[in-house]
This record gives sequence, structure tokens and C-alpha cells, in this order.
Amino acid sequence: QVRLHESGPGLVKPSQNLSLSCSVSGASVNNSGFFWGWMRHFPGKGLECLGYVYHSGVTSYNPALKSRLNMSLDTSRDHFSLKLTSVSAADTAIYFCARGSKVGAAELGWFAPWGPGVHVTVSS
Amino acid sequence: EIVMTQSPATLSVSPGERATLSCRASQSVSSNLAWYQQKPGQAPRLLMYGASTRATGIPARFSGSGSGTEFTLTISSLQSEDFAVYYCHQYNNWPPLTFGGGTKVEVK
Repeated sequence: QVRLHESGPGLVKPSQNLSLSCSVSGASVNNSGFFWGWMRHFPGKGLECLGYVYHSGVTSYNPALKSRLNMSLDTSRDHFSLKLTSVSAADTAIYFCARGSKVGAAELGWFAPWGPGVHVTVSS
Repeated sequence: EIVMTQSPATLSVSPGERATLSCRASQSVSSNLAWYQQKPGQAPRLLMYGASTRATGIPARFSGSGSGTEFTLTISSLQSEDFAVYYCHQYNNWPPLTFGGGTKVEVK
């Protein structure tokens, strides 16, 4: 059974950087059939896809956040990471990592499974 | 960016009744649409992909239809465990992959 689990600080000060890690068990992040994504959920609102990373290390970011995002993959440890720079209160959310299934020429697809999520609060 | 609009925002349904949820895309996403169920304090769970294919382990009372810009998720006979928030998600166009705002299915 494939499981993902996020880890990272629950509280970050404004203007600092947020670093999260997602550990994967039951699957290899080096599998070319999948990509590895980060989403966030603002309670009472919808979900936002921040971006994703392929097994090759190639990344793709949400244009709205591109200048502040960095994602990477560690195939030796089967985990992947997110770094969001210069955070503000607007970045307070529940952050999820998930495995994406590649479909078709665009190599995009649905997300399953997801990690349980980590609540991140940005506050001084 | 493709905007996904879900309606209604809240759906009040009695157990055993049928629930019909709608999702509209601002431009065609072909059949590249997924549905997720999320319960409080839990991660989203994949229900449907390819607009109409049930994910592994999803009961047959869940069905999906549509293509292009109009999609529907139907729960034929609501069970107690089905009361949750449901999101649609298009994976036809990037950047970015986008989700709808959600439909909360609550007990009437």
C-alpha cells in the first residue's frame, strides 16, 4: 500500500522560508509512471496545486507562486521536498503532498494517494 | 488558467436519497477530470478519474459523467459515510492544475 506523509514546522514567521518534506512508502519516487505534487487547502475554501516534480527531477510550478517555490526529489530516500520563500499570513493553510498518475501526452493526471496533511501557520 | 466552478456550494440530502453534484470548467478539459471526497481532518480521497472511471475500492453508488465543460457526480443512495465535501479537479491543462471550490453534502 502506498503511503505519503508530510513533515515540517507548524509555525513559521512572516518573511521566513517554509520547508516541507514528504516521505513515500510502498512505492518508489523513481517510478516514471508518476509525478509528485504539493497542494494546499485554505479552510473554508478550495484546493490549490502548488506544483509537482517528476522522477527525473523536472519541476513545474503554479505561475502565481513560481518565484517563491522550489521542489526537489531524493530518489535514494524516496522523499520529495517543498520550499516556499518569504511567507506571509496568506500562506497559512494545510499543505498536502500526493502522488500524481501520468496520463496521455501531457503526462498529467489525478492525485492518489494523498498524505494526511500538515497545518502551517504563518505568524510572528 | 482553467476555472472550475462547482454547484451547489451546499447540498442538503436525506440518507438514502440521490445526490447530484455539478462541476463546470471555463474551457474544455475533455474527459480529464477527477472527483475527490474530503472529510473533516482528512486528506482528499480519489473517487473518480477520466470523468467516469471509479477509483479502486469506490462503491458503485458513485458515478460520474460528462465531458468538455460540464460534469456531474451522482451518489445514487446516500449513506452516512458519504456526508463530506466533494471537489472536482481538471488535469487537462497546466499551468496550473485546478480544483473546484467544493460542494458540501450535508444531512437534511
